[in-house]
Amino acid sequence: GDSVTQMEGPVTLSEEAFLTINCTYTATGYPSLFWYVQYPGEGLQLLLKATKADDKGSNKGFEATYRKETTSFHLEKGSVQVSDSAVYFCALREETSGSRLTFGEGTQLTVNP
Amino acid sequence: GAVVSQHPSWVICKSGTSVKIECRSLDFQATTMFWYRQFPKQSLMLMATSNEGSKATYEQGVEKDKFLINHASLTLSTLTVTSAHPEDSSFYICSARWLGYTFGSGTRLTVV
Repeated sequence: GDSVTQMEGPVTLSEEAFLTINCTYTATGYPSLFWYVQYPGEGLQLLLKATKADDKGSNKGFEATYRKETTSFHLEKGSVQVSDSAVYFCALREETSGSRLTFGEGTQLTVNP
Repeated sequence: GAVVSQHPSWVICKSGTSVKIECRSLDFQATTMFWYRQFPKQSLMLMATSNEGSKATYEQGVEKDKFLINHASLTLSTLTVTSAHPEDSSFYICSARWLGYTFGSGTRLTVV
């Protein structure tokens, strides 16, 4: 079945550091890929998405490229801020599975000033 | 934007009692609601999918008699954990399908 694997956290960085959170997936077809972010006390929010190979999703300085050859969708940001501290979830949706999302384990990011 | 209000945000209950978790879509009609469960340091696991006015579809391994889902209106879906046990302690999250997915803020359930 479908699965998503994220790098283990927690991740702690200093402000303005470069961020990479790895995400790889297993799927039988051609899934859409997502990154969600959960700030403390809030629900998950869509950060960015990509629907086909080589697509790049971007939002708020974050980027992720859909790499079919490596089945990856790594999240990157060139310069993190304290306000980026949150839990980040990688997810996929297979067209054959309807509307359901399959999530990774989540990665806790803490950015220190 | 679309908002899903989930209550309570946390609850502690005794073994054997039942707990109800509510999710309300505040400014849109949620025809489909997803219910997830998250264990510490693990991913969100889909428990069931509910459509307004019909029975929920449960994922394999989820006890439908234990986790009762009601989606009687387009703005309200509820999850009731019946006869709760300590192993039911977890983080429960709802999500509505509306031009994408809108998530509630989650409910931390602790059964003592």
